[in-house]
Amino acid sequence: GAGVSQSPSNKVTEKGKDVELRCDPISGHTALYWYRQRLGQGLEFLIYFQGNSAPDKSGLPSDRFSAERTGESVSTLTIQRTQQEDSAVYLCASSFTSGGALEQYFGPGTRLTVT
Amino acid sequence: QKEVEQNSGPLSVPEGAIASLNCTYSDRGSQSFFWYRQYSGKSPELIMSIYSNGDKEDGRFTAQLNKASQYVSLLIRDSQPSDSATYLCAVNRGAGGTSYGKLTFGQGTILTVHP
Repeated sequence: GAGVSQSPSNKVTEKGKDVELRCDPISGHTALYWYRQRLGQGLEFLIYFQGNSAPDKSGLPSDRFSAERTGESVSTLTIQRTQQEDSAVYLCASSFTSGGALEQYFGPGTRLTVT
Repeated sequence: QKEVEQNSGPLSVPEGAIASLNCTYSDRGSQSFFWYRQYSGKSPELIMSIYSNGDKEDGRFTAQLNKASQYVSLLIRDSQPSDSATYLCAVNRGAGGTSYGKLTFGQGTILTVHP
């Protein structure tokens, strides 16, 4: 079946602009996760959703970052007033549930470049 | 101390050899453990999950978990050049608490399999 999809695949924006990144999870997956990977670095957890609630927002770097999810479907990560340090690949993952087995499957990512 | 640490690389092995990748974690309450493979410029791909002490085999891959020692490893038998990638160890705390869904990743070990 179809995997996790993300759009856009690449985004170049000017410093100070707002951006929206979209994630479409695997059908039937109730949990959805956002991570960030800066060049040459490991993955940083940002936020996860169980259904449309977000039990853990602890990884969001600042109040410029927000995310929402509609039901058990699409999620949008919004970055306001982008800064150069926001440049990274933003990865979305989904899993059947946040309970029990937690295999998370990643989408292809959105490469964000802030100029 | 980092939450998840992987053996420093890069690791280079000849084709056909066994590649051994190691990972230690600091949170004794961790319950779920995962190995991801990440090719350059691509998103992480789940290759193994392990939840109980002992070994788990899947084809050429064997994951080993020792919760008492807070140690998880991945063995790749009959290594192939196509196994050349960065291998990421990821840990989840498991049941309870708001961090239920969060994966904490190590920095990764770069593996090169040379013909």
